[in-house]
Amino acid sequence: DQQVKQNSPSLSVQEGRISILNCDYTNSMFDYFLWYKKYPAEGPTFLISISSIKDKNEDGRFTVFLNKSAKHLSLHIVPSQPGDSAVYFCAASVEKLTFGTGTRLTIIP
Amino acid sequence: DVKVTQSSRYLVKRTGEKVFLECVQDMDHENMFWYRQDPGLGLRLIYFSYDVKMKEKGDIPEGYSVSREKKERFSLILESASTNQTSMYLCASSLGVYEQFFGPGTRLTVL
Repeated sequence: DQQVKQNSPSLSVQEGRISILNCDYTNSMFDYFLWYKKYPAEGPTFLISISSIKDKNEDGRFTVFLNKSAKHLSLHIVPSQPGDSAVYFCAASVEKLTFGTGTRLTIIP
Repeated sequence: DVKVTQSSRYLVKRTGEKVFLECVQDMDHENMFWYRQDPGLGLRLIYFSYDVKMKEKGDIPEGYSVSREKKERFSLILESASTNQTSMYLCASSLGVYEQFFGPGTRLTVL
């Protein structure tokens, strides 16, 4: 039972444009949501998070949006840069983290 | 600079062998975790520990065990390796529940 889903396995975006990565969840008890970024041959690194009491959190080029009624989370990256090419995992927490399946983002120069 | 290290980057073992994967963190974190990453399945939690000598089963503990004798070290043990345990294994540590710091991973191949 996949409680956190990333339905797009891959996404390609032109450099300078906006990248939007999406994540859906089923468990309404999740109280905290995170995005991690993973380069090949490295462990995931924390990118940005949001509490369930908020609907938006911004950090530089990265913004996370939470729509609790739709049980939907999204990560916006603007402008996209070549170094953003990586696999992105969303994660949701109630006592422990549950990760999505990941989306491979490729930024085209 | 926070650091989680894993004993091997690549490991090749034979079916039936006992395998030890070691993880060490230098951040004095209470919590440590073992995940495996497989294509199309994301990261799945195998075991975690909130304190020394304490362990909790994650979502896929079958075929694995763990040991935490010291705060900084968390070991994953495959008692009798099987081919379906070929995977990328990731260790993480955290102070709270949320932001976890990951090691570089161990790619294990079981032949």
